[in-house]
Amino acid sequence: DAGVIQSPRHEVTEMGQEVTLRCKPISGHDYLFWYRQTMMRGLELLIYFNNNVPIDDSGMPEDRFSAKMPNASFSTLKIQPSEPRDSAVYFCASSPQEDKRWHEQFFGPGTRLTVL
Amino acid sequence: LAKTTQPISMDSYEGQEVNITCSHNNIATNDYITWYQQFPSQGPRFIIQGYKTKVTNEVASLFIPADRKSSTLSLPRVSLSDTAVYYCLVGDYTGRRALTFGSGTRLQVQP
Repeated sequence: DAGVIQSPRHEVTEMGQEVTLRCKPISGHDYLFWYRQTMMRGLELLIYFNNNVPIDDSGMPEDRFSAKMPNASFSTLKIQPSEPRDSAVYFCASSPQEDKRWHEQFFGPGTRLTVL
Repeated sequence: LAKTTQPISMDSYEGQEVNITCSHNNIATNDYITWYQQFPSQGPRFIIQGYKTKVTNEVASLFIPADRKSSTLSLPRVSLSDTAVYYCLVGDYTGRRALTFGSGTRLQVQP
C-alpha cells in the first residue's frame, strides 16, 4: 500500500482565496482524521470521520473550514476564505477499526499551506 | 479527558537506553495508552500502544504499572536517528473520542 496520500504537498495562496486539501486514506481503514500543526499551537485535531461519517468536528476553527468524505477513498478539507493565520501544515491520517486499533493512525506527508 | 504530562525535553547519547515517563492520573477504564514519534517535516508515526503491564515490539517497550496512572516508553540503545518528538496520548478504544496530542518530549541524541 502507498500509505496515506495528500495533495498538494505545498500550497501558497493569497488571503481570501479558497484552498482545497485532498487526502486518500489507506485502503480498508475506517477512520480518517484531519490535523493542523503550527509551532504555536502544536498538533490539533480538526475533524475525524468513521465510515465516511463525521464523528467530531469540534476542532474545526470556524465556519471558514469544512471537510467532506464522499467515499471511503477520498476526503477534502476546504478553507474559504483563507487567512494568513491558517498557515500551517495540515496532516491527514487514517486508522483501522478492528481490534482496538483505531488509535494506530497512519499519517500522510502533510500539506504545507502558506497564506500571504 | 485524561490529561497527560511528560517532560518537555531530554538529552541522551548514542547507545544509551532512554526512558520517557508520562503521567496520566485521571485515566479511565476504557483508555489505552499510545505513543507516537515525530521527525521534523514529517507526520507522527505510531510506535506502541498498551493497556497494562508491559508491551514490547521491534522499536520500543512500554511499561504500565498496575494503577495505570503513568507509563514509561523505553527506547533501547538509541541512535542519532531517534532524535525526534515523542508524544504520549491516552484515549478510549470505543471510537467515540479521538486522541489529543500534547506538546510531547523532544529527545535529542548526541554522538
